[in-house]
This record gives sequence, structure tokens and C-alpha cells, in this order.
Amino acid sequence: ILNVEQSPQSLHVQEGDSTNFTCSFPSSNFYALHWYRWETAKSPEALFVMTLNGDEKKKGRISATLNTKEGYSYLYIKGSQPEDSATYLCAFYSGGYQKVTFGTGTKLQVIP
Amino acid sequence: DADVTQTPRNRITKTGKRIMLECSQTKGHDRMYWYRQDPGLGLRLIYYSFDVKDINKGEISDGYSVSRQAQAKFSLSLESAIPNQTALYFCATKQAGNTGELFFGEGSRLTVL
Repeated sequence: ILNVEQSPQSLHVQEGDSTNFTCSFPSSNFYALHWYRWETAKSPEALFVMTLNGDEKKKGRISATLNTKEGYSYLYIKGSQPEDSATYLCAFYSGGYQKVTFGTGTKLQVIP
Repeated sequence: DADVTQTPRNRITKTGKRIMLECSQTKGHDRMYWYRQDPGLGLRLIYYSFDVKDINKGEISDGYSVSRQAQAKFSLSLESAIPNQTALYFCATKQAGNTGELFFGEGSRLTVL
């Protein structure tokens, strides 16, 4: 079982604040890292698929970076909005797509 | 309509009962997965299937079985449910290939009394 950690576990921010959180994973045998947003009572939905060291992805106000050598990925949200409230999951793929380990998620609540 | 549909969405049952959770998809993906979500834990893989004739155990397959009836259908069975199988279950699909993301159903919440 691989150790994939997300921090913080939860956070509350004010509307308009920018925030970021971390996914840490083993630095060996990296294959891919996915970020998902999971809103309450809905399905997790993919945000980013990251495969190369140094990858930077952006979708609107949300962006992510990847460092496979040191084993971490950051997710940034600029100018948080209430609709950003969700749990953000990372999924680490090691040695191929057969083996995936999900982090426990960061639960974000944006206060209007 | 959702691309990945799970039934039932909620189910309460008793210890020892047989339960089947069904998943169907309209995305045309070959790969289908069953995950389990417990509070404080990440999604854990129960079983996965790369096509109708290829079914594989995941991290936590004990106490579960699956059936891939067709490319579009993948069912998860609990032959004799026990309380620690109380969880939120997700079905997901993925296109074959190196970088495809998972597409999840809306989840099936199972409570075993």
C-alpha cells in the first residue's frame, strides 16, 4: 500500500482568498497523478491529469503543479468562490494504470 | 442523464443478506472499476475490469464479487453483507490508454445493520 498524503485535511477560507493544498506521494515509480473535485452528493470529477515532472495545468482560477522527483503536487485556487467548496482528491498512479492510490482528500469550505 | 449510472443510490440491509450494486455506462469505455469510500480513508479499489473477459481483484476484494455482463455493465455483489461493509461505493469508467481520467457514478450508499 503506497503512502499518498494530502494536507491540510480541511480548511475554511473567506470568499476572495487564494489557497493551496498539497498531495505527497512516493517519488519512485511515478506514472501519473490526477486531481479530482468532489462536491457533496455528486460524483468526483477530474480536474487535471499530470504525467510529466514540471507539469503545470490551469483551468480557470484553479491550477496545479507537479514535482515527481520530490514527490508532491500543489493545487492552487485563486480568489476562492463559494462554488469552489468541495473535497479535492489526488490519485497517484504507480507503474501503470492498474495500480492507483487515492489520498484522503482536502475538504475546502469557502465562506461568503 | 448521467454517463455512469449506479443503482440503487441508497440501500439499507441486514447482516447476512446478499446485495448487488449495479453500474451501467454510456461512455463506451472498456475499463470499469468499483471503489469504496470510508470516512477518513481514500477511495479504495475493490475490483476492476479491462473488458468483459478480464476481471481483476483490487486492494480490498475480500467479501465482494463482480460480474461484467457487457461492456457497459459491471455489477458488484456482497454475498453475505456484514456491518463493516457499510460505505459509499463508486463505480468508475476509463478509456483505455495512458492518460485518461476516471469518470465516476454518483455513488451507492450502503448501510448494513
